[in-house]
Amino acid sequence: DSGVTQTPKHLITATGQRVTLRCSPRSGDLSVYWYQQSLDQGLQFLIQYYNGEERAKGNILERFSAQQFPDLHSELNLSSLELGDSALYFCASSVGQGMSYNEQFFGPGTRLTVL
Amino acid sequence: GQQLNQSPQSMFIQEGEDVSMNCTSSSIFNTWLWYKQDPGEGPVLLIALYKAGELTSNGRLTAQFGITRKDSFLNISASIPSDVGIYFCAGQNASGTYKYIFGTGTRLKVLA
Repeated sequence: DSGVTQTPKHLITATGQRVTLRCSPRSGDLSVYWYQQSLDQGLQFLIQYYNGEERAKGNILERFSAQQFPDLHSELNLSSLELGDSALYFCASSVGQGMSYNEQFFGPGTRLTVL
Repeated sequence: GQQLNQSPQSMFIQEGEDVSMNCTSSSIFNTWLWYKQDPGEGPVLLIALYKAGELTSNGRLTAQFGITRKDSFLNISASIPSDVGIYFCAGQNASGTYKYIFGTGTRLKVLA
């Protein structure tokens, strides 16, 4: 158990809908990262937040957005869902904002299925 | 998105054999991480490397940070069936946003 929690574990929805994925980082970690992993693919970095502020952006679609709240939990919002958005979405957390000695610990993921 | 070149893509080995996989990049990294992912689970951190030339072990696992800072290797000795899974490397840029870039993964299958 990494200490990072994600809910829900599974999510099934229809095209065009909007969903929210939730992540709680490890105790003491200030950074939260979101990744997308499609079937049999590697991890694609989406976005990072540090202590409530956006720190780095990866290949995140405009239909997707995220935020980190004062209690440091984070939410990833996916809207106007398409079939191709079906994937595993992982959250990771780390102590710092990206400097050296900054290991990322992953949550169990949310499996999103868009029908 | 940008990914590291990781090889081999997959491998079947006999239980008890040693395994070796590597990651290469055209960019210099200041940190390398190795993760293992079981099906349907999140990646679990195995080894972290912070200095060029560093060699670190974690049980039967040994990883090295390449001298050029553009590659890393992971070795698993005396493989066992529970070593099955996907192994990912991740490199952190030496400049810019410090974000991690992940390798494409090595899928390991161990034959008992």
